[in-house]
Amino acid sequence: KQEVTQIPAALSVPEGENLVLNCSFTDSAIYNLQWFRQDPGKGLTSLLLIQSSQREQTSGRLNASLDKSSGRSTLYIAASQPGDSATYLCAVLGGATNKLIFGTGTLLAVQP
Amino acid sequence: DTGVSQDPRHKITKRGQNVTFRCDPISEHNRLYWYRQTLGQGPEFLTYFQNEAQLEKSRLLSDRFSAERPKGSFSTLEIQRTEQGDSAMYLCASSPQGRDSYGYTFGSGTRLTVV
Repeated sequence: KQEVTQIPAALSVPEGENLVLNCSFTDSAIYNLQWFRQDPGKGLTSLLLIQSSQREQTSGRLNASLDKSSGRSTLYIAASQPGDSATYLCAVLGGATNKLIFGTGTLLAVQP
Repeated sequence: DTGVSQDPRHKITKRGQNVTFRCDPISEHNRLYWYRQTLGQGPEFLTYFQNEAQLEKSRLLSDRFSAERPKGSFSTLEIQRTEQGDSAMYLCASSPQGRDSYGYTFGSGTRLTVV
């Protein structure tokens, strides 16, 4: 059974810092991995999608990497801003199922 | 197309009442998913449709829950005899066929509070 873990559960940084969020998964037979952002009380906004054959994806100040063999992904946020404050969720799609399996998220607070 | 739409955004109901939520996916997406999210947790899978066929249901989906997608377009999720434990955010997502190439797009969710 696929399990997804995110570390840390919460993170507080001053504005301008670069930071890394971690995601690990137990079954390396995945099709893709997706990072989402969730603002309080809102739905999920897709940030980056990494196919199983890819090593990384970039969008603006965000960079996500994938090491399928070790079951790990990282989300790197450069030059953090207060507007980046949110919960960041990673989710994997894989195996014989058609469903995304989510981690519990990292709650990020960027202090001005 | 404005993405995945969910209605209502918020629902407060008394314990024992029935509630129904609606999801309108992105029009060209033939796959539709329902998830439930409680406070501090990641979303948990409930069920998914490919066109009008319901292909998988989670064990979380008790017999009080039913989902339909009658014409392969919008979907409804009904909860009968609501309980306080049903209070959660109910999220809908859609994706095109070809799961390894495309990601999911989520709606804004329906927040259910059972009092």
